[in-house]
Amino acid sequence: DVKVTQSSRYLVKRTGEKVFLECVQDMDHENMFWYRQDPGLGLRLIYFSYDVKMKEKGDIPEGYSVSREKKERFSLILESASTNQTSMYLCASSPSPGQGGEKLFFGSGTQLSVL
Amino acid sequence: DAKTTQPTSMDCAEGRAANLPCNHSTISGNEYVYWYRQIHSQGPQYIIHGLKNNETNEMASLIITEDRKSSTLILPHATLRDTAVYYCIVEGRRNQFYFGTGTSLTVIP
Repeated sequence: DVKVTQSSRYLVKRTGEKVFLECVQDMDHENMFWYRQDPGLGLRLIYFSYDVKMKEKGDIPEGYSVSREKKERFSLILESASTNQTSMYLCASSPSPGQGGEKLFFGSGTQLSVL
Repeated sequence: DAKTTQPTSMDCAEGRAANLPCNHSTISGNEYVYWYRQIHSQGPQYIIHGLKNNETNEMASLIITEDRKSSTLILPHATLRDTAVYYCIVEGRRNQFYFGTGTSLTVIP
């Protein structure tokens, strides 16, 4: 089975701190994604990557950056954490685009609290 | 990118079929419809997907209308463990998936 592992289940940080959320997948997937989930808003796409060193903005990239130095690892970076970035962060991966119909595999999520 | 519309919440009696509707009226011809579910505090889990034909697997059935503007996820014999939020998603460009707020399904004993 595909495994998508997020480094922390719960994280508490202070306003202004630089925060790194790490995600690793073990199935050699080309595509990786970061979402955040908030009550009443569902999942919203922050950033995604189709290949090493590639990144593209999703719907809500402001305040975030990403890094993909290796195929299996996709990091989400909060340069200066703010309280409105308190949220559940979900990482996902999928195989390379083919004819469509590729599944998305999710990690268990990181609940980040910014105080 | 096509967007989807789902009811906010639904109830279903345990043992009965749960039918979850989804509208995706702006879907294009080569876009797949996916269903995922999320149990509290876990990441979303894949259920099923389809393009034009109805699909069935060990978890559920997916019925897609002929014009592809709507679909229904069917859980044939709902159990308490099926209580979750169910997301209907149309795959966007280049394998992007856009989730809405989904349908919160409560299975009642």
